[in-house]
Amino acid sequence: EPEVTQTPSHQVTQMGQEVILRCVPISNHLYFYWYRQILGQKVEFLVSFYNNEISEKSEIFDDQFSVERPDGSNFTLKIRSTKLEDSAMYFCASSVFGTANTGELFFGEGSRLTVL
Amino acid sequence: GDSVTQMEGPVTLSEEAFLTINCTYTATGYPSLFWYVQYPGEGLQLLLKATKADDKGSNKGFEATYRKETTSFHLEKGSVQVSDSAVYFCALTPNQAGTALIFGKGTTLSVSS
Repeated sequence: EPEVTQTPSHQVTQMGQEVILRCVPISNHLYFYWYRQILGQKVEFLVSFYNNEISEKSEIFDDQFSVERPDGSNFTLKIRSTKLEDSAMYFCASSVFGTANTGELFFGEGSRLTVL
Repeated sequence: GDSVTQMEGPVTLSEEAFLTINCTYTATGYPSLFWYVQYPGEGLQLLLKATKADDKGSNKGFEATYRKETTSFHLEKGSVQVSDSAVYFCALTPNQAGTALIFGKGTTLSVSS
């Protein structure tokens, strides 16, 4: 069964360092997303991506964050200069259709980021 | 803004017990409502959904009814199994065109035999 895969599963970094989280969405999906969950808090939407551009983003997704689809398979989230409050589980998701209403989102297992 | 509130966990049940996980929402428009489940070591998966008031979503013995009057979407199962042990997330999309899901915190369910 096709699945969304994320790497790394856990990354520990020093504050101020750049981090890249990688995702391989399901191959025939066209829409890609990043969500995050800070420990004990809600899963929060960060950004959605379609046709090589951001289609929607939240207030959390500030200039420190960027997304890219560098080739035909990977979808990356870059945090330019990590802060302590960026420590969270980051979930990648993909879907065939562009709205959660009409299309199921398929999520990866998550990448846990710990900023020290 | 739009939000989802679900009951705090963990919920611990014996096999064959009845399950209810409460979820209420706040939304200004006409949201669609979802339950996602995360089994250990896996990503979140869609469990069921309802797109308008009074709709009932159902899957794998789980069901939830979209109640506009009480702004609720409680998840129920008549007889849980050990394999149902997972984290359950209630979520909504604020409107028909949105791509973003708004999630609750998640409720951990642990079922023992």
